[in-house]
Amino acid sequence: GQQLNQSPQSMFIQEGEDVSMNCTSSSIFNTWLWYKQDPGEGPVLLIALYKAGELTSNGRLTAQFGITRKDSFLNISASIPSDVGIYFCAGQLPGGSEKLVFGKGMKLTVNP
Amino acid sequence: ETGVTQSPTHLIKTRGQQVTLRCSSQSGHNTVSWYQQALGQGPQFIFQYYREEENGRGNFPPRFSGLQFPNYSSELNVNALELDDSALYLCASSFGTGRQDTQYFGPGTRLTVL
Repeated sequence: GQQLNQSPQSMFIQEGEDVSMNCTSSSIFNTWLWYKQDPGEGPVLLIALYKAGELTSNGRLTAQFGITRKDSFLNISASIPSDVGIYFCAGQLPGGSEKLVFGKGMKLTVNP
Repeated sequence: ETGVTQSPTHLIKTRGQQVTLRCSSQSGHNTVSWYQQALGQGPQFIFQYYREEENGRGNFPPRFSGLQFPNYSSELNVNALELDDSALYLCASSFGTGRQDTQYFGPGTRLTVL
């Protein structure tokens, strides 16, 4: 099935460090979303982006919708142990598509 | 406000069997989407139900079918189970069909096919 190209696949960082991850696609998306999934849980929405070039923050998280509408990145600043989890990007195709296309996820480990 | 719930939590089946997974949507939501998440992968869209009708389908064979009930809860049925069907099955509910950013995901059902 269709998936977005998400990188890196995993990161090991020290508490307090910043981390960046990005997603690219060959298709244009109308909406970019970033989710976090903890073990045994469904994905939880962190940030939603709706316009090319848009930069949005949610606490220590900052995400941007790429100008070409084919990419997005997420930054987490000053990481803390509870940031551990798997982060997914997802895009919604133009035309009010009923489906989300997800990346493969980035597994974040934070060493205290 | 009740969140999205799924049952059962875990399920073990053997190849060739049939399975039914259930999802209760969040209060006020009328749309349910189902996703398959294989180990180490992102969720893959199976289909969406709106007002008891299928409203879009991903690249899954016809042995994956669904239902939505008048109370907007939903079922995912998989016939003739294959080993590759082993995955976490997620449902997500939303109000309306066009805004997938308003979806809330349930905790999933972990299906193991032996």
